[in-house]
Amino acid sequence: KNQVEQSPQSLIILEGKNCTLQCNYTVSPFSNLRWYKQDTGRGPVSLTIMTFSENTKSNGRYTATLDADTKQSSLHITASQLSDSASYICVVSAHREVPAPKTSYDKVIFGPGTSLSVIP
Amino acid sequence: GAGVSQTPSNKVTEKGKYVELRCDPISGHTALYWYRQSLGQGPEFLIYFQGTGAADDSGLPNDRFFAVRPEGSVSTLKIQRTERGDSAVYLCASSMDRRNGYTFGSGTRLTVV
Repeated sequence: KNQVEQSPQSLIILEGKNCTLQCNYTVSPFSNLRWYKQDTGRGPVSLTIMTFSENTKSNGRYTATLDADTKQSSLHITASQLSDSASYICVVSAHREVPAPKTSYDKVIFGPGTSLSVIP
Repeated sequence: GAGVSQTPSNKVTEKGKYVELRCDPISGHTALYWYRQSLGQGPEFLIYFQGTGAADDSGLPNDRFFAVRPEGSVSTLKIQRTERGDSAVYLCASSMDRRNGYTFGSGTRLTVV
């Protein structure tokens, strides 16, 4: 069964500190893995995307890692800011072929998210 | 447009009523996805369109839910005989192809009272 799990469920850190969020998945066949940031009341915004051959990707203070062998990913946030308070969602895509209409697409499986609170 | 637009942003309806939620994807994006997000949870897949056709509707919870995309651009999610359990944020996302990221709209918050 395709599943994405995230830990911790919630996290509170002091402004300026670093933190690491974890994502474990059982998705096959793996296509790619994305980390999204979702502010309260807003749609998710993409932070990073990694395919099978990539094991690290950075976007400013965000660095994502991927171990395709152990099916684990992490999102590291450096020098946290108050605006980093949000839900961080790990999204894993499995490649699917559809006979009709003949096409291929990514079946997207969302993790439950980690709620991060950065406090002054 | 510059982003994915969803209307209305908020919708309150009475139990048993019919509602329509609209999604305007980014121009040229052939893939369109609908998701449902309950409070404190990650989005749950509902349906995927490739062009005008629903390539995967396995996420629709029951036959009260239906979605269309008649011209391959704007999509409408339709919910008949709404129930209180349908209350959630309904998110729409579009993509050029699977190598690129999905762009999400801000969602429609549906409240069934």
